[in-house]
Amino acid sequence: DTGVSQDPRHKITKRGQNVTFRCDPISEHNRLYWYRQTLGQGPEFLTYFQNEAQLEKSRLLSDRFSAERPKGSFSTLEIQRTEQGDSAMYLCASSSTGTGGEKLFFGSGTQLSVL
Amino acid sequence: AQSVTQLGSHVSVSEGALVLLRCNYSSSVPPYLFWYVQYPNQGLQLLLKYTTGATLVKGINGFEAEFKKSETSFHLTKPSAHMSDAAEYFCAVSLAGGKLIFGQGTELSVKP
Repeated sequence: DTGVSQDPRHKITKRGQNVTFRCDPISEHNRLYWYRQTLGQGPEFLTYFQNEAQLEKSRLLSDRFSAERPKGSFSTLEIQRTEQGDSAMYLCASSSTGTGGEKLFFGSGTQLSVL
Repeated sequence: AQSVTQLGSHVSVSEGALVLLRCNYSSSVPPYLFWYVQYPNQGLQLLLKYTTGATLVKGINGFEAEFKKSETSFHLTKPSAHMSDAAEYFCAVSLAGGKLIFGQGTELSVKP
């Protein structure tokens, strides 16, 4: 169990640029989740995958955000035309099933700063 | 809709004192409830969870929580605080599909 890995740990970008984050879940986990966390707040759900299928997207996820999990393993989250309001910690988590009540394993997150 | 409310965004205790972090939930179905801890610049770690069965749940690092259906509460306690307990604590409820809905968080400070 090598844990959930996220890359990069920090990203500084200028407003209007596109950014892409990567998440590598625990290898046997088929569920993968993306969350966004701003300072002083709890994580907010963005989207989740069952294998390669994206099953749910939050209303928080505007058209500028897109997530993929092409082979059911790693996932990418892309933000196009970044805005200052996108500055946040982006957390990825994975779990083995989606029946409810199971533990989510979180990565250390990608801290995005939009200047 | 299911939701979680954490009472108190900041709690400060002295080392060795009782830790009590409050969480109330709203759910139309029997909930699955969690407490996670987050240290600075790190992801979240599971402290404990309640699914079914015994209402008093013991977790890691000496923490425990009691599910009280009549009060819709899942408060987190630890008999004696350590300096290393200083962190942000999040209560969460699990929804269909396994996703978690988190409370706003409570920052715990421990004074020497």
